[in-house]
This record gives sequence, C-alpha cells and structure tokens, in this order.
Amino acid sequence: GQNIDQPTEMTATEGAIVQINCTYQTSGFNGLFWYQQHAGEAPTFLSYNVLDGLEEKGRFSSFLSRSKGYSYLLLKELQMKDSASYLCAVTDSNYQLIWGAGTKLIIKP
Amino acid sequence: TAGITQAPTSQILAAGRSMTLRCTQDMRHNAMYWYRQDLGLGLRLIHYSNTAGTTGKGEVPDGYSVSRANTDDFPLTLASAVPSQTSVYFCASSDSWDYNEQFFGPGTRLTVL
Repeated sequence: GQNIDQPTEMTATEGAIVQINCTYQTSGFNGLFWYQQHAGEAPTFLSYNVLDGLEEKGRFSSFLSRSKGYSYLLLKELQMKDSASYLCAVTDSNYQLIWGAGTKLIIKP
Repeated sequence: TAGITQAPTSQILAAGRSMTLRCTQDMRHNAMYWYRQDLGLGLRLIHYSNTAGTTGKGEVPDGYSVSRANTDDFPLTLASAVPSQTSVYFCASSDSWDYNEQFFGPGTRLTVL
C-alpha cells in the first residue's frame, strides 16, 4: 500500500527553527510537495523536490532523499503566522498525489 | 484573477437529497481534482480530470460523480447524500496532469444530517 507518515503535531517557539519530517512508501515517485494550510483555509503550495538535496526558499527549505524515502521541511526564524498545518504529498507512478495527514505546527511566543 | 471558486461555501443537507458542488477555474488549467478532507486524515482524492472531456476515479469515488464539459468547470454531484459524506470538499487544478503543483479553491463545508 501507499503510505505517507508525518508527526501529528509539533510545538516551537517564535524565532526558533523547526524541522518537520515526512517518510513515504509509494508505488513509484515523481516528486514531493509541501503545502501549508492555515485553519479553515485551503492548502497553498510551499515547495517541490524531485531530485535529492536541499531546496531553499527564503525562511523555508525542503530536503529530499529518494533512497531513504524521506523529506523534511525546515522553517527558520519562526513567526506566529507560521502556525498552520504542513502537508507532505508525493506524486506516485500514476502521477496521482498521495497526501500525508499533515503536521499541525503550534508557535508559542 | 479569481483562481478557483467554489460554491456554496457551506451547506446543510438532509440525507437522501442530491446536491451539486460547483467549481470553476480561470487559469486555463488542464487538470482538475476533487478532494475531501476529514479531521485526522489526509486529503483524499474523489475524482479527477486530466483534460476537458475526460474523468477518472480517485481513492474514494463511491457516492460521487463528476463531469468535465469544458476546461473551466468541474462540478461534483452527490446523488443521494449520506451522513458519512459530511466533510470539507476542496476543488483543485494544475496546469498539467503530470506536474502536481495544485491550486486549491476555498472549500465547501458540507454537513449531511
């Protein structure tokens, strides 16, 4: 079966750094996405990785290791507005997006 | 640019009734998707359309039907609603079926009683 695992909830302090992990087992791999979803809103695109390594975009970075079936999202200089759920999703061999259940990130002052 | 719009924003529906959730995009994207999102579960794909005139079944298609008569519109119909269909429904689109940066509509919150 296809499976994406990420922690249910994490707590971090404003101004700190947090790493949200995602492991996946899917039938094929054609890319990994991270989305942000604020409570009561739609998911919005954050990052895309298809090759191994680190992709940096401002305060957010995403890492991929295809051999390990592993990715992480790194958030630096945390702000209160970063309180949201972060969704990991993998494109399988049929180009369907398989979604994790999401990690709820709580930022404390 | 509106992006993707969905209607209604929310709805309470009696079990056994039918309903159509509307979705319209103005980005000329080829692929469109319908998801449901339930607490503690990831987004689950109901139906998809890779291009106008074609549709396919996702992970949880039972009780739902779709059509894709043109590029912009992708309505989702519940023929006879049941309480287990209470959920938040998101419509999404992507430029092509083989690159999944998807853009989401604001969602429809449906309660079936």
